[in-house]
Amino acid sequence: GAVVSQHPSRVICKSGTSVKIECRSLDFQATTMFWYRQFPKQSLMLMATSNEGSKATYEQGVEKDKFLINHASLTLSTLTVTSAHPEDSSFYICSVYPTGVRETQYFGPGTRLLVL
Amino acid sequence: DAKTTQPNSMESNEEEPVHLPCNHSTISGTDYIHWYRQLPSQGPEYVIHGLTSNVNNRMASLAIAEDRKSSTLILHRATLRDAAVYYCIPPLTSGTYKYIFGTGTRLKVLA
Repeated sequence: GAVVSQHPSRVICKSGTSVKIECRSLDFQATTMFWYRQFPKQSLMLMATSNEGSKATYEQGVEKDKFLINHASLTLSTLTVTSAHPEDSSFYICSVYPTGVRETQYFGPGTRLLVL
Repeated sequence: DAKTTQPNSMESNEEEPVHLPCNHSTISGTDYIHWYRQLPSQGPEYVIHGLTSNVNNRMASLAIAEDRKSSTLILHRATLRDAAVYYCIPPLTSGTYKYIFGTGTRLKVLA
């Protein structure tokens, strides 16, 4: 399967600061990537679809001005949590949908965000 | 949108086979059925996917019902490292390629 990396794997920040999380597809180019959030003991919740060269599309209830997504290249998408608050503490996971292989998504290892 | 139903949890003894069921009775179209698993503090790991016929790979087997309304993930010999939450992902909806995760099945493997 495709190898997907996320950076950082873990981050602790102060309330009110912004945090950027990177998602890289190491094996495939991907015009489409996805961002998920997972709270403890819950399932993954899709936040948004990251589209290379165009604006991200957000799921209902997800604030686009708070969770900024940039898909600058075919192998990199970034999620910036702006003005983070303790309730944004969560496990953020990205997935890659390889271009031309329209069957399977491959997931990154996740980024643990703790906002103090 | 297609929905899935999975048991919340299952237990298995080590070295024994495990059959994890998934009901996707609202399935339509010709999209694939995917299975993933998630170990604690990790992203989901791809296990297997299939369309109509049974599929095998090094990790597991997937048995798909003839009417495609249900499928079963088969781990032939469970090990302690197979303890995870297993997600059956319904076929992609409306051409959006989005995955909607249900609660999955938490598999506990007993030594």
